[in-house]
Amino acid sequence: QLQLQESGPGLVKPSETLSLTCTVSGDSVTSSDSYWGWIRQPPGKGLEYIGSVYYSGFTYYNPSLESRVTLSIDASKNQFSLGLTSLTAADTAIYYCARGSEGTEYYFDFWGQGSLVTVSS
Amino acid sequence: AGLTQPPSVSKDLRQTATLTCTGTSSDVGYQGAAWLQQHQGHPPKLLSYRNHNRPSGISERFSASRSGNTASLTITGLQPEDEADYYCSAWDSSLSAWVFGGGTKLTVL
Repeated sequence: QLQLQESGPGLVKPSETLSLTCTVSGDSVTSSDSYWGWIRQPPGKGLEYIGSVYYSGFTYYNPSLESRVTLSIDASKNQFSLGLTSLTAADTAIYYCARGSEGTEYYFDFWGQGSLVTVSS
Repeated sequence: AGLTQPPSVSKDLRQTATLTCTGTSSDVGYQGAAWLQQHQGHPPKLLSYRNHNRPSGISERFSASRSGNTASLTITGLQPEDEADYYCSAWDSSLSAWVFGGGTKLTVL
């Protein structure tokens, strides 16, 4: 049974850096059939793609966020992580981690429950 | 960039709803679209991918298609549990990034 679980701080101050981790169970972050992504959703609004990372190290980013985003994979812990710098109130959102799978032609086929991050002093 | 969806659609119980998603030749028209369903307080759930394919476990009442740069999701025999937000998603080849529509809130009357 695949599970993705986001973890990180619920409250971050403006100008600081957000660090979120997604722990994967039921699949391996080293799988060549999968890749791993982050998507966010401001309260009451739609979905926004942040970026994706492959175990090979290859990454894709939303161009509007690329300068502030870092993605990485920790195979020893079966986790992948998101770093987002220079936070403002506009970064307040539910942050979802998700899997892209060859089985569904690399569309995001499974999502974590989400982690609410509030940017406020 | 981004895909265009009507903000809301309302249909009667047991009727058929068709949701649309309009993009460009760089996204929907490039490699098709996926549809996701999101109930309040829950993460999105993949309903279809690459225009018409359904993941295992998804009801046959949900069918998707594409014509040119517009993707559609048809839901037949509407049930109360179909009331949710529906998002389309596509790979944008010009951005090398996934893009989403703004979402359609489906109300079942």
